[in-house]
Amino acid sequence: AQSVAQPEDQVNVAEGNPLTVKCTYSVSGNPYLFWYVQYPNRGLQFLLKYITGDNLVKGSYGFEAEFNKSQTSFHLKKPSALVSDSALYFCAVRDPRMATGFQKLVFGTGTRLLVSP
Amino acid sequence: GAGVSQSPRYKVAKRGQDVALRCDPISGHVSLFWYQQALGQGPEFLTYFQNEAQLDKSGLPSDRFFAERPEGSVSTLKIQRTQQEDSAVYLCASSLRDAPGEYFGPGTRLTVT
Repeated sequence: AQSVAQPEDQVNVAEGNPLTVKCTYSVSGNPYLFWYVQYPNRGLQFLLKYITGDNLVKGSYGFEAEFNKSQTSFHLKKPSALVSDSALYFCAVRDPRMATGFQKLVFGTGTRLLVSP
Repeated sequence: GAGVSQSPRYKVAKRGQDVALRCDPISGHVSLFWYQQALGQGPEFLTYFQNEAQLDKSGLPSDRFFAERPEGSVSTLKIQRTQQEDSAVYLCASSLRDAPGEYFGPGTRLTVT
């Protein structure tokens, strides 16, 4: 079964510095990978996804993620953090090879990003 | 355009009460998903509809949980005889058929007292 690990409960970074939020996955074959952000009392907002193609995926709000098949990782990055980026970030994986044709998303436990002024 | 909407946004229920949570997906989206997000956790899959057909309900935690989508649009998640462990945010998501991305609603925060 597919799974996702987010090894850091919290990441602290100063505004203007680069940020990385880590994610590793376990899926047989080629996964579909996603990042979502959740602000307090709000639902999940889609940031970006990797399906196929270029390993560097660019998404919303200046975020990007790099798919690394050999390390089974999909780390979220941003060159220059903003205080407004402070939120809860979830990595998710879907195995596109499920026989039923339906593929549920499996989420990590989330990483809280705190960007200090 | 309009996104996925859910109502109510907040619900407080006494233990033992029945609750019904509504989801209005994006127009034209064939697939609809329900997830449960406990405090401090990531969302966990509950059930999946393709149009009106419930194709997967493997994530429903007990037979007290029931979901329907009778006309292939609006969906309702019903929880009977609520328990304290049912307290969570219930998220609804929709997507186009075979599109590997999902749009989530704002969620319904259920608190069982």
